[in-house]
Amino acid sequence: NAGVTQTPKFQVLKTGQSMTLQCAQDMNHNSMYWYRQDPGMGLRLIYYSASEGTTDKGEVPNGYNVSRLNKREFSLRLESAAPSQTSVYFCASSEGGTYYEQYFGPGTRLTVT
Amino acid sequence: GENVEQHPSTLSVQEGDSAVIKCTYSDSASNYFPWYKQELGKRPQLIIDIRSNVGEKKDQRIAVTLNKTAKHFSLHITETQPEDSAVYFCAASTPFGYFNNDMRFGAGTRLTVKP
Repeated sequence: NAGVTQTPKFQVLKTGQSMTLQCAQDMNHNSMYWYRQDPGMGLRLIYYSASEGTTDKGEVPNGYNVSRLNKREFSLRLESAAPSQTSVYFCASSEGGTYYEQYFGPGTRLTVT
Repeated sequence: GENVEQHPSTLSVQEGDSAVIKCTYSDSASNYFPWYKQELGKRPQLIIDIRSNVGEKKDQRIAVTLNKTAKHFSLHITETQPEDSAVYFCAASTPFGYFNNDMRFGAGTRLTVKP
């Protein structure tokens, strides 16, 4: 099992450009999440999908959109990148519900100039 | 929403000493408290968790305690080793709806264990 995979690993964008971060999991998990990690601020939830066919906003959704393509895949789109979106992005998945561990992908380091 | 505060932000200990990291949360409905370890350049990984109906949980050198009344929980690492050096995140999860939960993370503690 690969667990949770993310592409790309690194990306540099110019202000105003768009891009999609891809995430896939092979653990048959119901729930998937997108977080951003900034120095001194921990992990902040951008969007999540509790189950296939549903998506909801997290703590910091502005400037992002998501698509739960199927049970395995959950993508994050930046329509018009801004320097404030420079961050490390982590995708995670879990069985769903309260008590289940979240498994994280390896992360995408995004720089917006 | 839930607010999780974590202290200290950095912690340096000598190998063999104990390390304690503390977190407080604001929402009394939170009922699940995991701790994640993130080594440099790696992904966060769960090391221990505790549910709100339990006061303490141990796993070898790691233990977590929960005080629901005071809304705080702590991670205790005994007999620290250099490989314990990492950033540790606490989190608090609040259920809502049938299948949803809102998990908020603390800002992290960078632990350095000096040999």
